[in-house]
Amino acid sequence: GEDVEQSLFLSVREGDSSVINCTYTDSSSTYLYWYKQEPGAGLQLLTYIFSNMDMKQDQRLTVLLNKKDKHLSLRIADTQTGDSAIYFCAEMRSYIPTFGRGTSLIVHP
Amino acid sequence: SQTIHQWPATLVQPVGSPLSLECTVEGTSNPNLYWYRQAAGRGLQLLFYSVGIGQISSEVPQNLSASRPQDRQFILSSKKLLLSDSGFYLCAWTSSGNTIYFGEGSWLTVV
Repeated sequence: GEDVEQSLFLSVREGDSSVINCTYTDSSSTYLYWYKQEPGAGLQLLTYIFSNMDMKQDQRLTVLLNKKDKHLSLRIADTQTGDSAIYFCAEMRSYIPTFGRGTSLIVHP
Repeated sequence: SQTIHQWPATLVQPVGSPLSLECTVEGTSNPNLYWYRQAAGRGLQLLFYSVGIGQISSEVPQNLSASRPQDRQFILSSKKLLLSDSGFYLCAWTSSGNTIYFGEGSWLTVV
C-alpha cells in the first residue's frame, strides 16, 4: 500500500479556498513537499516545508504541518480555474522521495 | 542554474522492442537521480535511483533496467517491452537532498 495517503479528488468553486490533505508515515522525514501536475506535464514543485516548521506561507499557498499526527495540508486561497491539476504530497526519507497518489483538484465556475 | 532534460518526450513502441529513455542534469555535480513511472490514474512509482556513477538501486522487480554511465546521465532501458510497460516516465534529481526536480516526462505507449 501507499505510505503517503491523499484523497483522490477535490471539487471547489472558483474563488473559494481549497484544502488538500495528506498523511505520511515516517516521523523522521526531513522535508515534505507539494507538487502540481498539469495534464501531460511533469511535476512542478509548489512549495516545501522543513520538518521543524509548523507553517509556511507563499502568496496564495499555505502549508500546515502537524508532526504529531503526521498530517500535512495545502491551502490554496482564491482558487482559480488555472489551479485545476493533480497535487502530490511527498516526503523525503533519507534520500528517497515517496509520493502520494495525488489529489485531482477540479475548479468549477 | 540547474536544469534537467529528458527525452524522447513521446514514443510508440511495439511489444518486444527495446527501449532507451535518457535523462541529463546540468548545473550540478553528483546528484541523486531517480526514475519514476506514473501509470494512468495512479501515483508515482519509484523504479530506480542512483547516488553515484555505476550505482543503481532497483525498487521493484520488472522488465526494466537503469544505468548511470556518467555523473549527470541516467538511462532507463528495456530489452523487450511489454504492454504493461506503457506509462508516463519521469526522471528526477536532488543534490543537497532538500528539493526534488523533475524532467518533462516521457510518454511510452507499447502496442
